[in-house]
Amino acid sequence: DAGVIQSPRHEVTEMGQEVTLRCKPISGHDYLFWYRQTMMRGLELLIYFNNNVPIDDSGMPEDRFSAKMPNASFSTLKIQPSEPRDSAVYFCASRASGRDLSYEQYFGPGTRLTVT
Amino acid sequence: QQPVQSPQAVILREGEDAVINCSSSKALYSVHWYRQKHGEAPVFLMILLKGGEQKGHEKISASFNEKKQQSSLYLTASQLSYSGTYFCGTEKPGSARQLTFGSGTQLTVLP
Repeated sequence: DAGVIQSPRHEVTEMGQEVTLRCKPISGHDYLFWYRQTMMRGLELLIYFNNNVPIDDSGMPEDRFSAKMPNASFSTLKIQPSEPRDSAVYFCASRASGRDLSYEQYFGPGTRLTVT
Repeated sequence: QQPVQSPQAVILREGEDAVINCSSSKALYSVHWYRQKHGEAPVFLMILLKGGEQKGHEKISASFNEKKQQSSLYLTASQLSYSGTYFCGTEKPGSARQLTFGSGTQLTVLP
C-alpha cells in the first residue's frame, strides 16, 4: 500500500484566497483524522470521520474551515478565506478498526501551508 | 485537555539512556507514543492499553500507570537514529479513538 497520500505537499497562497487540501487514506481504513501542527500549538486534532461521517469537529478553529469526506477514499479540508495565522503543516491520518490492538494511526506526509 | 510531557528537550550521547514522561489530568483509556523526525510525519511507536503494562520495541519500551494517569517512554542505549521529537497521545474513555497529543519532547542523540 502507498500509505496515506496528501496533496499538495506545499501550498503558498495570499490572504483571502481559498485553499483546499486533499487526502487519500489507506484502503480499508474507516477512520480519517485531520491535524494541524504549529510550533505554538503543537499537533491539534481538527476533525475526524468514521465511515465517511464527521464524528467530532470541535477542533475546527472557526467557520472558515470545513472538511468533507464524500467517499471512503477521499477527503478535503478547505479554508476560505485563508489568513496568515492558518500557516501550518496539515496532516491527514487514517486507521482501521475492528481489532483491539489496531489503534495505530498512519500519518500522511503533510501539507505545508503558507499564507502571506 | 492536552497531556503534559517532560522534559521538553533532552540531549544525549550515543549509548546513553533517556526517559520521557507523559501525564494527564483525565482518566485514560490508552496512551500512544509517536516519533517525528524533522520535516517528516509522526510515526507510531507503540500503544499501551492496560494499566501497568509495559511494551517494548527493540531498545524502546514504555509503561502505563493507569491509576496515576501517567506513561513513560524508556530509550535504552540510544542510537543516532533515535533523534526526533517524541509525542504521547492520550485517549480518554468514550472518546471514540480521538487522540490528544502532548507538546512533544525533542530528543537529540550526539555521536
